[in-house]
Amino acid sequence: AQSVTQLDSHVSVSEGTPVLLRCNYSSSYSPSLFWYVQHPNKGLQLLLKYTSAATLVKGINGFEAEFKKSETSFHLTKPSAHMSDAAEYFCVVTLSYNTDKLIFGTGTRLQVFP
Amino acid sequence: EPEVTQTPSHQVTQMGQEVILRCVPISNHLYFYWYRQILGQKVEFLVSFYNNEISEKSEIFDDQFSVERPDGSNFTLKIRSTKLEDSAMYFCASRVRSTNTEAFFGQGTRLTVV
Repeated sequence: AQSVTQLDSHVSVSEGTPVLLRCNYSSSYSPSLFWYVQHPNKGLQLLLKYTSAATLVKGINGFEAEFKKSETSFHLTKPSAHMSDAAEYFCVVTLSYNTDKLIFGTGTRLQVFP
Repeated sequence: EPEVTQTPSHQVTQMGQEVILRCVPISNHLYFYWYRQILGQKVEFLVSFYNNEISEKSEIFDDQFSVERPDGSNFTLKIRSTKLEDSAMYFCASRVRSTNTEAFFGQGTRLTVV
């Protein structure tokens, strides 16, 4: 069965320090992987995507993620957190075979302290 | 920048009433989705729609739910007889293709059933 696991429900960092949001997936097929961000009272915005090209993917606002097939991971990182990064982050997977639905992780709430 | 728009942003309805949630997907997109997020829970897939028919639906999407693309621009979700447990944020999404592309999400409609 396909699934996606976000290992941390909450992550707190100080402004200017690195961010690491972890995501592992389970899939029998080559997945497409995405990170979305949801700011309070806002919709879901795409941060970045992996669709079988380069394994290191750069997104908006300085975020990047690395697809590691051997570890079935797609962790999201940012070298230096900003106050405006405080939001809920969702790791999302979709398969390339017989289904196109997006499967969401449970989300990680990122808090950034001054 | 093109975006998915949803109306209304908030809807309060009495249990047993019918509600229609409306979405205008991005104009050149061909694949349409509804997702929901119950407060404090993960984002769940409801239904996908392509070529004027449902292509996939979840167990949540029972006979009380229906979707329609009545006029080539709007995409609606109808709940025939609302229950308390239908209270959630409902997101519409669209994609230009079914695989290897990101989905664009609307801002959501918060449905409260009282």
